[in-house]
Amino acid sequence: GAVVSQHPSRVICKSGTSVKIECRSLDFQATTMFWYRQFPKQSLMLMATSNEGSKATYEQGVEKDKFLINHASLTLSTLTVTSAHPEDSSFYICSARDYRGDTQYFGPGTRLTVL
Amino acid sequence: GESVGLHLPTLSVQEGDNSIINCAYSNSASDYFIWYKQESGKGPQFIIDIRSNMDKRQGQRVTVLLNKTVKHLSLQIAATQPGDSAVYFCAEISTGTSYGKLTFGQGTILTVHP
Repeated sequence: GAVVSQHPSRVICKSGTSVKIECRSLDFQATTMFWYRQFPKQSLMLMATSNEGSKATYEQGVEKDKFLINHASLTLSTLTVTSAHPEDSSFYICSARDYRGDTQYFGPGTRLTVL
Repeated sequence: GESVGLHLPTLSVQEGDNSIINCAYSNSASDYFIWYKQESGKGPQFIIDIRSNMDKRQGQRVTVLLNKTVKHLSLQIAATQPGDSAVYFCAEISTGTSYGKLTFGQGTILTVHP
């Protein structure tokens, strides 16, 4: 149980295009999902907290107009990187919090490379 | 706040040895702690958790110890195996905060030599 999937696992795009990443909780309902960014050999940096049916809460320094988050259902959240640039290249990871507790379960991550 | 480091601490052990990975946290209001294992190119994997009303919790080959007095958390891995090689992160939550936001430690790279 407690499986979280992400799609795609890897994406390469041209500068200026937008990329959508999906995060799904497969066997549980997640009222809250989180989006992280991770650079090589560094810890995870929380970008935003996504709550089903409401606007996402962004961490300081994260541009909400650049990183669009939608949490349309209890099992799906999406992150759209708009007008991507090479500096947006990173490993993006989502997590989902089971509504019954505090534990967060992580997806496998999405490697974004912007050319 | 978050800890982000460019140079993660490393721990090298021989197969079969016991490993101890340490973590210091700063928020005295944190009341729930989780250890995650992250292999290269993958997302963090839940290992074990502990709440602040406990000092010790054991799982399969892993034990987490919590010392609230000095805000210290440790993960002990018994009979370490090459498959345990990964980056290990501790994470803390103050469950009273909105939505249970995790704060991650900087991570420790564990390398197990056959």
